[in-house]
Amino acid sequence: DSGVTQTPKHLITATGQRVTLRCSPRSGDLSVYWYQQSLDQGLQFLIQYYNGEERAKGNILERFSAQQFPDLHSELNLSSLELGDSALYFCASSAGTSAGELFFGEGSRLTVL
Amino acid sequence: GEDVEQSLFLSVREGDSSVINCTYTDSSSTYLYWYKQEPGAGLQLLTYIFSNMDMKQDQRLTVLLNKKDKHLSLRIADTQTGDSAIYFCAEPSGGSYIPTFGRGTSLIVHP
Repeated sequence: DSGVTQTPKHLITATGQRVTLRCSPRSGDLSVYWYQQSLDQGLQFLIQYYNGEERAKGNILERFSAQQFPDLHSELNLSSLELGDSALYFCASSAGTSAGELFFGEGSRLTVL
Repeated sequence: GEDVEQSLFLSVREGDSSVINCTYTDSSSTYLYWYKQEPGAGLQLLTYIFSNMDMKQDQRLTVLLNKKDKHLSLRIADTQTGDSAIYFCAEPSGGSYIPTFGRGTSLIVHP
């Protein structure tokens, strides 16, 4: 158990819809990272937050957004969903800003029909 | 992770050694990682190596780093069925230190 909790574990929705994925980092960790894992793209970094502020941005689409709340949990919002957004979305956390070891949650599997 | 490349599959017999290879692109990386993903689970850090090292050994795991060729390998001695998983090579991406992952190598261990 990494200590990182993600909900929901599975989500099925239709094209055009909007979903929110939630992540609670490991106790004491201030950084949260979101990754997307798909068969064709592999594991792609989306975005990092540190103590409530956006820290780094990766290959995140404009239809996607994220935030980190004062209690350090984070949410990833995916809107205007397309079939190609079907993937496993991982949240990871680390103590500081400079990554080091990332602790991953078990992921949220999104299926867009 | 187009900057980190790995072969996608490796099949070995139980008891044999497994060698998973990786090439990376950023010569300024201060360290490189190997993560392991078991079925239905998230990634977990397996080991890492600093860029000023050529080799690191940790029980059954040996990491070799060839900086000239930007080549990293992970050797698992006496591979067991419990080692079946996906192994990811990763390097910190530029100054952000956020890991850029390869596509992962699926290790299949058969009796």
